[in-house]
Amino acid sequence: GENVEQHPSTLSVQEGDSAVIKCTYSDSASNYFPWYKQELGKGPQLIIDIRSNVGEKKDQRIAVTLNKTAKHFSLHITETQPEDSAVYFCAASMNPGGGADGLTFGKGTHLIIQP
Amino acid sequence: DTEVTQTPKHLVMGMTNKKSLKCEQHMGHRAMYWYKQKAKKPPELMFVYSYEKLSINESVPSRFSPECPNSSLLNLHLHALQPEDSALYLCATSQGVNYGYTFGSGTRLTVV
Repeated sequence: GENVEQHPSTLSVQEGDSAVIKCTYSDSASNYFPWYKQELGKGPQLIIDIRSNVGEKKDQRIAVTLNKTAKHFSLHITETQPEDSAVYFCAASMNPGGGADGLTFGKGTHLIIQP
Repeated sequence: DTEVTQTPKHLVMGMTNKKSLKCEQHMGHRAMYWYKQKAKKPPELMFVYSYEKLSINESVPSRFSPECPNSSLLNLHLHALQPEDSALYLCATSQGVNYGYTFGSGTRLTVV
């Protein structure tokens, strides 16, 4: 089955700086890569996703890049703010949704924004 | 309505109790999932329902019994749980390639 590795496990950055979280996946058949933000006591919230036919996607301060050859993808957050502090999970799937499979998650990155 | 609603938010149960977790959505999503999340760990897939039929059971013990009564509801029936089953139980839904997955806020379960 799919295996997703995520680094780092903890990331502390100064407010206003950029943060980068990296993930690798094992199954070349995976074609959907979402990123989730989870705040304490809440369920994961989708913040951005990318499909295997796209190399980069951006939504305001958040961007995701995908390298299919190397089987890795990264989350980039620019101009970080205190409300960005949370646990971030990457995930991979062979089916973006509606099909009979689920997501395989990385172990998570605790992002801490220092004021 | 773009939400997945899970009830109850918190549940404490004894090892001999029978309880149920409920998940409801009105987005027309045809795939529904149960995930289990232990503290400081990622969510782990338990069950997948596709068009109201169980399609994946990730070797979950029989003390967890899923049910999908209709396209809007997903239940997880609990019986004779162990303390190590204490966790956050998350429901998620999805519909097609343009929608991704939407998670509920979860039920925090404590088994005593």
